[in-house]
Amino acid sequence: ETGVTQTPRHLVMGMTNKKSLKCEQHLGHNAMYWYKQSAKKPLELMFVYNFKEQTENNSVPSRFSPECPNSSHLFLHLHTLQPEDSALYLCASSQGKETGISGANVLTFGAGSRLTVL
Amino acid sequence: AQKITQTQPGMFVQEKEAVTLDCTYDTSDQSYGLFWYKQPSSGEMIFLIYQGSYDEQNATEGRYSLNFQKARKSANLVISASQLGDSAMYFCAMREPNMIKAAGNKLTFGGGTRVLVKP
Repeated sequence: ETGVTQTPRHLVMGMTNKKSLKCEQHLGHNAMYWYKQSAKKPLELMFVYNFKEQTENNSVPSRFSPECPNSSHLFLHLHTLQPEDSALYLCASSQGKETGISGANVLTFGAGSRLTVL
Repeated sequence: AQKITQTQPGMFVQEKEAVTLDCTYDTSDQSYGLFWYKQPSSGEMIFLIYQGSYDEQNATEGRYSLNFQKARKSANLVISASQLGDSAMYFCAMREPNMIKAAGNKLTFGGGTRVLVKP
């Protein structure tokens, strides 16, 4: 496989369930990201991992727990979510070596995991 | 804090015509990067074009060009010769200047513009 792969593509869960979203990148990148895309809201950055270290937590509630075991894999563990957490969760990766603003250092996104919380 | 504004929630364009998607941004930083992404109904965000704040020439990538007006803080996307496959959501995004290697590449996105190409 190539690019960024997210599984599952669709997930329906109750508020008391525990589930996980998985992201895998085959691009040799070192930085990985979780974004949340809700209806009628701009994409919101949730977490950033660079060389497996978390470098950004954008005030995300603790019911979302990220895990980055290596530079190719990123998980988002979900526990006791609320209906307002229903959204498209997008994973992305980038080279992760950037300093300053030289170069585009493009984020490559996966197709997303559509989460519905009942 | 940065802000990206896309004032056009949706627009129709005739096939084979050009369309301009507006994007304005607000930042106090001197160095930054601007991106445009396309999101078809499948959900994946597809990178289209990049403009660095110090780039003197407007970026072009095939049928995509970026009309960068730094003084006005605008970075409009122009799609020439629209095709039916161009129907999608289009997002403008800004990259924060990142002087720290470990911090990663953070993008702030606008609300998007939905484009529908009519045959």
